[in-house]
Amino acid sequence: NAGVTQTPKFRVLKTGQSMTLLCAQDMNHEYMYWYRQDPGMGLRLIHYSVGEGTTAKGEVPDGYNVSRLKKQNFLLGLESAAPSQTSVYFCASTLTREGAAFFGQGTRLTVV
Amino acid sequence: AQSVTQPDIHITVSEGASLELRCNYSYGATPYLFWYVQSPGQGLQLLLKYFSGDTLVQGIKGFEAEFKRSQSSFNLRKPSVHWSDAAEYFCAVVPNTGGFKTIFGAGTRLFVKA
Repeated sequence: NAGVTQTPKFRVLKTGQSMTLLCAQDMNHEYMYWYRQDPGMGLRLIHYSVGEGTTAKGEVPDGYNVSRLKKQNFLLGLESAAPSQTSVYFCASTLTREGAAFFGQGTRLTVV
Repeated sequence: AQSVTQPDIHITVSEGASLELRCNYSYGATPYLFWYVQSPGQGLQLLLKYFSGDTLVQGIKGFEAEFKRSQSSFNLRKPSVHWSDAAEYFCAVVPNTGGFKTIFGAGTRLFVKA
Protein backbone atom coordinates (compact mmCIF):
# COMPACT_ATOMS: atom_id res chain seq x y z
CA ASN A 1 0.00 0.00 0.00
CA ALA A 2 1.84 3.06 -1.25
CA GLY A 3 -0.40 5.66 0.42
CA VAL A 4 0.53 9.10 -0.90
CA THR A 5 3.32 9.37 -3.45
CA GLN A 6 4.91 12.61 -4.60
CA THR A 7 7.13 13.12 -7.62
CA PRO A 8 9.73 14.44 -7.97
CA LYS A 9 11.48 14.37 -4.60
CA PHE A 10 13.98 17.10 -5.44
CA ARG A 11 14.10 19.80 -8.09
CA VAL A 12 16.11 22.89 -8.87
CA LEU A 13 14.51 25.51 -11.10
CA LYS A 14 15.72 28.75 -12.55
CA THR A 15 13.63 31.84 -11.95
CA GLY A 16 10.86 31.99 -14.51
CA GLN A 17 10.79 28.29 -15.32
CA SER A 18 7.67 26.23 -14.90
CA MET A 19 7.08 22.82 -13.41
CA THR A 20 4.40 20.46 -12.19
CA LEU A 21 4.45 18.44 -9.00
CA LEU A 22 2.44 15.24 -9.03
CA CYS A 23 0.65 13.73 -6.06
CA ALA A 24 -0.98 10.32 -6.27
CA GLN A 25 -2.96 8.50 -3.57
CA ASP A 26 -4.30 4.97 -3.66
CA MET A 27 -6.64 5.16 -0.65
CA ASN A 28 -9.70 6.45 -2.51
CA HIS A 29 -9.63 9.64 -0.45
CA GLU A 30 -11.96 12.43 -1.43
CA TYR A 31 -9.91 15.34 -0.09
CA MET A 32 -6.44 16.29 -1.21
CA TYR A 33 -4.20 19.16 -0.20
CA TRP A 34 -0.97 20.88 -1.13
CA TYR A 35 1.08 22.49 1.62
CA ARG A 36 4.38 24.26 1.72
CA GLN A 37 6.67 24.01 4.70
CA ASP A 38 9.09 26.76 5.58
CA PRO A 39 11.30 26.98 8.68
CA GLY A 40 9.44 28.27 11.72
CA MET A 41 6.13 28.59 9.87
CA GLY A 42 4.66 25.12 10.08
CA LEU A 43 2.65 24.02 7.08
CA ARG A 44 0.65 26.48 5.05
CA LEU A 45 -2.14 25.39 2.76
CA ILE A 46 -1.69 26.34 -0.88
CA HIS A 47 -4.69 24.73 -2.56
CA TYR A 48 -7.03 21.89 -1.82
CA SER A 49 -9.66 19.71 -3.47
CA VAL A 50 -12.82 18.23 -2.03
CA GLY A 51 -13.34 15.78 -4.85
CA GLU A 52 -12.57 14.94 -8.45
CA GLY A 53 -12.86 17.98 -10.67
CA THR A 54 -12.86 20.49 -7.79
CA THR A 55 -10.15 22.83 -6.52
CA ALA A 56 -10.09 25.71 -4.08
CA LYS A 57 -7.61 28.26 -2.78
CA GLY A 58 -5.94 27.89 0.54
CA GLU A 59 -3.91 30.29 2.62
CA VAL A 60 -1.07 31.02 0.15
CA PRO A 61 -2.33 30.32 -3.40
CA ASP A 62 -0.57 33.07 -5.35
CA GLY A 63 1.83 31.80 -7.99
CA TYR A 64 0.41 28.28 -7.97
CA ASN A 65 -2.29 26.44 -9.88
CA VAL A 66 -3.76 23.00 -9.33
CA SER A 67 -5.85 20.42 -11.11
CA ARG A 68 -7.66 17.28 -10.06
CA LEU A 69 -8.83 15.56 -13.20
CA LYS A 70 -8.74 12.14 -11.58
CA LYS A 71 -9.70 11.34 -8.01
CA GLN A 72 -6.36 9.79 -7.21
CA ASN A 73 -4.17 12.58 -8.59
CA PHE A 74 -3.64 16.19 -7.52
CA LEU A 75 -1.22 18.29 -9.53
CA LEU A 76 0.47 21.48 -8.37
CA GLY A 77 1.84 23.80 -11.02
CA LEU A 78 4.24 26.69 -10.88
CA GLU A 79 3.89 28.74 -14.06
CA SER A 80 6.80 31.11 -13.45
CA ALA A 81 8.94 30.09 -10.53
CA ALA A 82 10.30 32.70 -8.13
CA PRO A 83 12.95 32.38 -5.40
CA SER A 84 10.20 32.93 -2.81
CA GLN A 85 8.79 29.58 -3.86
CA THR A 86 11.84 27.76 -2.60
CA SER A 87 10.34 25.42 -0.05
CA VAL A 88 9.42 21.86 0.78
CA TYR A 89 6.06 20.91 -0.68
CA PHE A 90 3.83 18.28 0.85
CA CYS A 91 0.77 16.64 -0.55
CA ALA A 92 -1.79 15.12 1.81
CA SER A 93 -5.12 13.38 1.55
CA THR A 94 -8.01 12.68 3.91
CA LEU A 95 -10.99 10.41 3.61
CA THR A 96 -13.32 12.93 5.23
CA ARG A 97 -13.08 16.63 5.99
CA GLU A 98 -12.06 16.02 9.62
CA GLY A 99 -10.13 12.83 9.02
CA ALA A 100 -6.50 12.24 9.73
CA ALA A 101 -4.20 13.38 6.96
CA PHE A 102 -1.86 11.05 5.13
CA PHE A 103 1.21 12.79 3.79
CA GLY A 104 3.63 12.19 0.98
CA GLN A 105 7.35 12.36 1.63
CA GLY A 106 7.69 15.83 0.23
CA THR A 107 9.33 17.62 -2.69
CA ARG A 108 12.25 19.88 -1.97
CA LEU A 109 12.19 22.69 -4.52
CA THR A 110 14.92 25.26 -4.93
CA VAL A 111 14.44 28.23 -7.23
CA VAL A 112 17.65 30.04 -8.15
CA ALA B 1 -8.06 35.33 15.62
CA GLN B 2 -8.21 31.59 15.11
CA SER B 3 -4.84 30.01 15.71
CA VAL B 4 -2.83 27.04 16.91
CA THR B 5 0.10 27.84 19.15
CA GLN B 6 3.02 25.67 20.07
CA PRO B 7 4.94 27.83 22.54
CA ASP B 8 8.18 25.87 22.41
CA ILE B 9 10.23 26.05 19.23
CA HIS B 10 12.54 23.33 20.49
CA ILE B 11 12.90 21.13 23.55
CA THR B 12 15.79 18.97 24.72
CA VAL B 13 15.20 16.02 27.03
CA SER B 14 17.39 13.20 28.24
CA GLU B 15 16.69 9.70 27.04
CA GLY B 16 14.40 8.01 29.54
CA ALA B 17 12.98 11.28 30.85
CA SER B 18 9.35 12.27 30.48
CA LEU B 19 8.15 14.65 27.79
CA GLU B 20 5.36 17.15 27.47
CA LEU B 21 4.81 19.25 24.36
CA ARG B 22 2.35 22.08 24.62
CA CYS B 23 -0.39 23.07 22.21
CA ASN B 24 -3.04 25.74 22.61
CA TYR B 25 -5.77 26.62 20.17
CA SER B 26 -8.00 29.59 19.77
CA TYR B 27 -11.37 28.67 18.30
CA GLY B 28 -14.93 29.39 19.35
CA ALA B 29 -15.92 25.74 19.47
CA THR B 30 -13.76 22.75 20.23
CA PRO B 31 -12.15 21.70 16.98
CA TYR B 32 -10.93 18.29 15.96
CA LEU B 33 -7.41 17.94 17.37
CA PHE B 34 -4.37 16.08 16.10
CA TRP B 35 -0.70 15.53 16.77
CA TYR B 36 1.66 14.64 13.94
CA VAL B 37 5.34 13.74 13.96
CA GLN B 38 7.85 14.49 11.24
CA SER B 39 11.18 12.71 11.11
CA PRO B 40 13.98 14.39 9.12
CA GLY B 41 13.37 14.23 5.40
CA GLN B 42 9.99 12.61 5.82
CA GLY B 43 6.36 13.58 5.60
CA LEU B 44 4.13 13.94 8.62
CA GLN B 45 2.70 10.91 10.37
CA LEU B 46 -0.35 10.91 12.61
CA LEU B 47 0.37 10.18 16.27
CA LEU B 48 -3.11 10.57 17.68
CA LYS B 49 -6.37 12.47 17.34
CA TYR B 50 -9.23 13.73 19.51
CA PHE B 51 -12.76 14.17 18.27
CA SER B 52 -14.89 13.76 21.41
CA GLY B 53 -15.33 11.58 24.49
CA ASP B 54 -12.49 10.59 26.80
CA THR B 55 -10.18 13.57 27.11
CA LEU B 56 -7.07 11.39 27.41
CA VAL B 57 -6.25 9.78 24.10
CA GLN B 58 -3.64 7.18 23.35
CA GLY B 59 -1.59 7.17 20.21
CA ILE B 60 1.17 5.27 18.53
CA LYS B 61 4.74 4.94 19.79
CA GLY B 62 3.67 5.29 23.42
CA PHE B 63 2.38 8.85 23.12
CA GLU B 64 -0.74 10.22 24.73
CA ALA B 65 -2.44 13.61 24.77
CA GLU B 66 -4.90 15.26 27.09
CA PHE B 67 -7.61 17.63 25.96
CA LYS B 68 -8.44 20.37 28.46
CA ARG B 69 -11.38 22.45 27.37
CA SER B 70 -10.95 25.05 30.11
CA GLN B 71 -7.39 25.74 28.97
CA SER B 72 -7.98 25.26 25.24
CA SER B 73 -5.03 22.92 25.30
CA PHE B 74 -4.10 19.57 23.83
CA ASN B 75 -0.68 18.68 25.24
CA LEU B 76 1.29 15.67 24.07
CA ARG B 77 3.07 13.48 26.60
CA LYS B 78 5.32 10.47 26.77
CA PRO B 79 6.49 8.90 30.03
CA SER B 80 9.93 7.84 28.81
CA VAL B 81 11.57 9.28 25.72
CA HIS B 82 13.68 7.18 23.39
CA TRP B 83 16.43 8.49 21.14
CA SER B 84 14.30 7.59 18.12
CA ASP B 85 11.67 10.10 19.25
CA ALA B 86 13.89 12.98 18.12
CA ALA B 87 11.80 14.68 15.46
CA GLU B 88 9.54 17.65 14.89
CA TYR B 89 6.05 17.52 16.35
CA PHE B 90 3.07 19.40 15.00
CA CYS B 91 -0.21 20.10 16.69
CA ALA B 92 -3.08 20.57 14.26
CA VAL B 93 -6.78 21.36 14.31
CA VAL B 94 -9.69 21.05 11.95
CA PRO B 95 -12.35 23.61 12.86
CA ASN B 96 -15.76 22.05 13.28
CA THR B 97 -17.51 25.18 12.10
CA GLY B 98 -16.92 24.44 8.45
CA GLY B 99 -14.09 24.86 6.03
CA PHE B 100 -11.83 22.24 4.63
CA LYS B 101 -8.42 22.83 5.98
CA THR B 102 -6.22 21.54 8.75
CA ILE B 103 -4.47 24.33 10.64
CA PHE B 104 -0.98 23.44 11.80
CA GLY B 105 1.05 24.89 14.60
CA ALA B 106 4.60 26.03 13.84
CA GLY B 107 6.03 22.84 15.31
CA THR B 108 8.28 21.87 18.21
CA ARG B 109 11.58 20.21 17.49
CA LEU B 110 12.53 17.57 20.03
CA PHE B 111 16.15 16.81 20.72
CA VAL B 112 17.04 13.74 22.81
CA LYS B 113 20.36 13.58 24.60
CA ALA B 114 22.00 10.38 25.74
